[in-house]
Amino acid sequence: AQSVTQLGSHVSVSEGALVLLRCNYSSSVPPYLFWYVQYPNQGLQLLLKYTSAATLVKGINGFEAEFKKSETSFHLTKPSAHMSDAAEYFCAVSRPTGANSKLTFGKGITLSVRP
Amino acid sequence: EAGVTQFPSHSVIEKGQTVTLRCDPISGHDNLYWYRRVMGKEIKFLLHFVKESKQDESGMPNNRFLAERTGGTYSTLKVQPAELEDSGVYFCASSHDPVDTSTDTQYFGPGTRLTVL
Repeated sequence: AQSVTQLGSHVSVSEGALVLLRCNYSSSVPPYLFWYVQYPNQGLQLLLKYTSAATLVKGINGFEAEFKKSETSFHLTKPSAHMSDAAEYFCAVSRPTGANSKLTFGKGITLSVRP
Repeated sequence: EAGVTQFPSHSVIEKGQTVTLRCDPISGHDNLYWYRRVMGKEIKFLLHFVKESKQDESGMPNNRFLAERTGGTYSTLKVQPAELEDSGVYFCASSHDPVDTSTDTQYFGPGTRLTVL
């Protein structure tokens, strides 16, 4: 079985500060990993995904994440937070088999950005 | 291009009633998924259609839930009869690739918030 752990439910940073959202996974096979963002009243939007190519993955809006197998982690970072980054962020994992594509999500973490 | 749409956006029903949620995927997407988020918990997978066929329904909680995708286009999720624990946000997602679905991006709709009183 696969699982995702996102510690904490809320992170608050100042505008311009580093954003670091942590994600650890558990998987019996090499996983595929995803970060999604949900803005208020919208659906989840894919920020980036790791599918066994480069371990440092760059996504939209200046976000990136690094797959670290030894640490079973896939933390999301952004060098400088903007007010528009305030949203809920979800880390998810799936199995790398062609037809088995369901996503297993973490509990999500809400990012607040202070002016 | 229109995204994934879901109807209704909110539904409030009483325990024992029936509710039907609808999802319209992105045009041309063969894969359609249903997920649910109960308040305070993680988003959980319910089932996966490839065209009109159920590929994986391992996440369906019980036989009060019935999902259909007639004709391989839109999908409905019926809850009958609804119970209090069915309250939550129901998300639909779609993706294109019918072969390597695990790497294909799933595009999510805004969700339907279901409240069972």
